[in-house]
Amino acid sequence: GQNIDQPTEMTATEGAIVQINCTYQTSGFNGLFWYQQHAGEAPTFLSYNVLDGLEEKGRFSSFLSRSKGYSYLLLKELQMKDSASYLCAVPRGGGSQGNLIFGKGTKLSVKP
Amino acid sequence: DVKVTQSSRYLVKRTGEKVFLECVQDMDHENMFWYRQDPGLGLRLIYFSYDVKMKEKGDIPEGYSVSREKKERFSLILESASTNQTSMYLCASSRAGLGNEQFFGPGTRLTVL
Repeated sequence: GQNIDQPTEMTATEGAIVQINCTYQTSGFNGLFWYQQHAGEAPTFLSYNVLDGLEEKGRFSSFLSRSKGYSYLLLKELQMKDSASYLCAVPRGGGSQGNLIFGKGTKLSVKP
Repeated sequence: DVKVTQSSRYLVKRTGEKVFLECVQDMDHENMFWYRQDPGLGLRLIYFSYDVKMKEKGDIPEGYSVSREKKERFSLILESASTNQTSMYLCASSRAGLGNEQFFGPGTRLTVL
């Protein structure tokens, strides 16, 4: 079967760095997605990793280790607007159609 | 910009009513999806379509059906709404193939009384 685990909630301070972890078990692997979802809004795409290593995109970076079934999203120089839920997702059954299974999300609260 | 639109942001229906939720995307995407999102349960896939007239059941298809007569439009139908179908419904679309992100509509908050 497939399973994705993320912490339910995290709190961090404005200006700090926070790491949001995601572990997954999947039959086959075709990449891992991160999405951001502000309260009351739709999820929006942040990143896609298919190879091991760190990919940086401005203040946000995403890391993948396929051998460990592990990814993290790193947010630097936190801003109040980064308060949101962060969803990790992998292709269902390791397939290539684009059908994803999502984790339950990590709710990040950024405090002044 | 990719745009996914949903017919209503808020909808209130009565138990037993037939409910139609419409989703339209303007980027010629092959894939379309219907999810529901509930606190503590995350995003759960109801149905998925990878082509016109093609559909596959997701994790929670019971009580729902779908229709995709045109590539840009994917409809979710609640044949006889029940109170446990009160939820946020999100539609998404994507290109077929690896590494293509899903683009989400704004969601429909459905309340069944």
